[in-house]
Amino acid sequence: DQQVKQNSPSLSVQEGRISILNCDYTNSMFDYFLWYKKYPAEGPTFLISISSIKDKNEDGRFTVFLNKSAKHLSLHIVPSQPGDSAVYFCAASSGYSSASKIIFGSGTRLSIRP
Amino acid sequence: NAGVTQTPEFQVLKTGQSMTLQCAQDMNHEYMSWYRQDPGMGLRLIHYSVGAGITDQGEVPNGYNVSRSTTEDFPLRLLSAAPSQTSVYFCASSRTATGGENSPLHFGNGTRLTVT
Repeated sequence: DQQVKQNSPSLSVQEGRISILNCDYTNSMFDYFLWYKKYPAEGPTFLISISSIKDKNEDGRFTVFLNKSAKHLSLHIVPSQPGDSAVYFCAASSGYSSASKIIFGSGTRLSIRP
Repeated sequence: NAGVTQTPEFQVLKTGQSMTLQCAQDMNHEYMSWYRQDPGMGLRLIHYSVGAGITDQGEVPNGYNVSRSTTEDFPLRLLSAAPSQTSVYFCASSRTATGGENSPLHFGNGTRLTVT
């Protein structure tokens, strides 16, 4: 059973507008949530993260929101740029636990149209 | 710094053959992991290691073995290749298993494996 779910396989957004990518999780033991970005023929790269003690984290054009009661997080990109076109993976870990591992979702392909 | 190096980049196997996918990192990271990427399935964790001599199973471990005899190397062995193992395989490492801004996962460029 998938512990991290991204229910939208693709998203198309006009350049300059806001892109919102969503992610749901089922395991309440997760305490660290991550977003990675992947271009074709490359490995994923880290984008932004949030710990479970926060509900928002910003880094430039990227903001991640966490709603623990709903087990839901979202990534906002404002304004969207052509270089943002990529596959975005949501991931979660149980932090510094000795049994920790990092679980990824199925990804959302974001396309920014001119 | 080379980061995470995976070899080979491409591989074609026949059903039943075995092989080892190599992964090496030069960042002295304790945490290493193997993922496979399949269309619509995202990145699924195969095996991971929190340090030399310690390995554990991920979400889809069947058909794969790993070992971690050194901090630097984390090879993935396919015991008897099957067409269902056709995939892109990524090795990743990080300082700890949080994977966040203080300890991001560094990925290799992947091994594209086809089993016929």
